[in-house]
Amino acid sequence: AAGVIQSPRHLIKEKRETATLKCYPIPRHDTVYWYQQGPGQDPQFLISFYEKMQSDKGSIPDRFSAQQFSDYHSELNMSSLELGDSALYFCASSLSSYNSPLHFGNGTRLTVT
Amino acid sequence: GESVGLHLPTLSVQEGDNSIINCAYSNSASDYFIWYKQESGKGPQFIIDIRSNMDKRQGQRVTVLLNKTVKHLSLQIAATQPGDSAVYFCAENITPSGTYKYIFGTGTRLKVLA
Repeated sequence: AAGVIQSPRHLIKEKRETATLKCYPIPRHDTVYWYQQGPGQDPQFLISFYEKMQSDKGSIPDRFSAQQFSDYHSELNMSSLELGDSALYFCASSLSSYNSPLHFGNGTRLTVT
Repeated sequence: GESVGLHLPTLSVQEGDNSIINCAYSNSASDYFIWYKQESGKGPQFIIDIRSNMDKRQGQRVTVLLNKTVKHLSLQIAATQPGDSAVYFCAENITPSGTYKYIFGTGTRLKVLA
């Protein structure tokens, strides 16, 4: 079965640079979520989208923005990167019907040097 | 407030024994819960879910128990195998204003001893 696809798998950037992470949800899934996970930490909710509109917002810095496109893929844009942004970034998708579990991709490991 | 937590950060279990991983949640309005397994370098993998109108749900070798009175969730793994070694998270579905938001708690690392 098709899963959530994230790219790139690894990304190395320098401080103050920008980064774009991409997420391709499971076909027919209309809701996309972004999470940030630091080493040994639980996934922290950043933002979610339903039908290309922002659905909910968590602890996403103002330096970050995201959107969902007409083909339902989503991109997380990160600017003015800081060392503390180094983390695993996961995308998840689900059906919008209530009690539909999130299915996660394998993440993008971002390292800021 | 919105928080989901786990009692034990690390659980070591002998291969073949049963494992019990616990989770306490604080939002009494949450009505859907999910257990995830995360292996190193991978994304969280769905294990089992439960709605608040249930108190028990069984899957293959796994059982989730929900006690809404004390806001407690547990994951039981029968006949624990080496492949079960991972970090386990519980997550609750908070639905403010008709949107969807899942909050994860601190994971429990399960170590299976041979």
